Amino acid sequence: EPEVTQTPSHQVTQMGQEVILRCVPISNHLYFYWYRQILGQKVEFLVSFYNNEISEKSEIFDDQFSVERPDGSNFTLKIRSTKLEDSAMYFCASGRTVYYNEQFFGPGTRLTVL
Amino acid sequence: AQTVTQSQPEMSVQEAETVTLSCTYDTSESNYYLFWYKQPPSRQMILVIRQEAYKQQNATENRFSVNFQKAAKSFSLKISDSQLGDTAMYFCAFMKHETSGSRLTFGEGTQLTVNP
Repeated sequence: EPEVTQTPSHQVTQMGQEVILRCVPISNHLYFYWYRQILGQKVEFLVSFYNNEISEKSEIFDDQFSVERPDGSNFTLKIRSTKLEDSAMYFCASGRTVYYNEQFFGPGTRLTVL
Repeated sequence: AQTVTQSQPEMSVQEAETVTLSCTYDTSESNYYLFWYKQPPSRQMILVIRQEAYKQQNATENRFSVNFQKAAKSFSLKISDSQLGDTAMYFCAFMKHETSGSRLTFGEGTQLTVNP
């Protein structure tokens, strides 16, 4: 069964460094999402992406965040200058069509900012 | 903006018994979807069940069923014949219907423990 994959599973970085989190969505899916979950808290939406552009972003998704789909298979989230409060689990999700509406989640990347 | 509220931070149930997790939501949308996701200790998000708001019939998936009360904006999850593998955090989530892909809005979660 196809699944969303994410790499790395755990990333440790120093405050101020740039990180890139990678996701490979399910191959025939058209809608892509990033969510984050700070430990012990609920899952929060960051951004959605469709047709090579951002379709929606939350208040969390400020100028230090960016997304791209560089090669038609990968979907990346870049954090330009990490802060301590960026430490969280980051989930990628993909959906086939908006009408089918189910989002399939990857296993997550745990980001630790020191 | 939509909000989702889960008022039970923790619940426990004995193996083979039935448990109901509560969820309420607030929205002005008329067309939307509701979901329950399960997050075991691995932290993977797994879809348990979904409900389309335009459908009056409550969704069921094997041992999992929902009680969808649209007027009351309530969406509870019933787990029958609870199993040890059901131990997890359960999140209720809302999605409005849009043509450009829509965010999931999650509740705070309910930690369910199934005891042997």
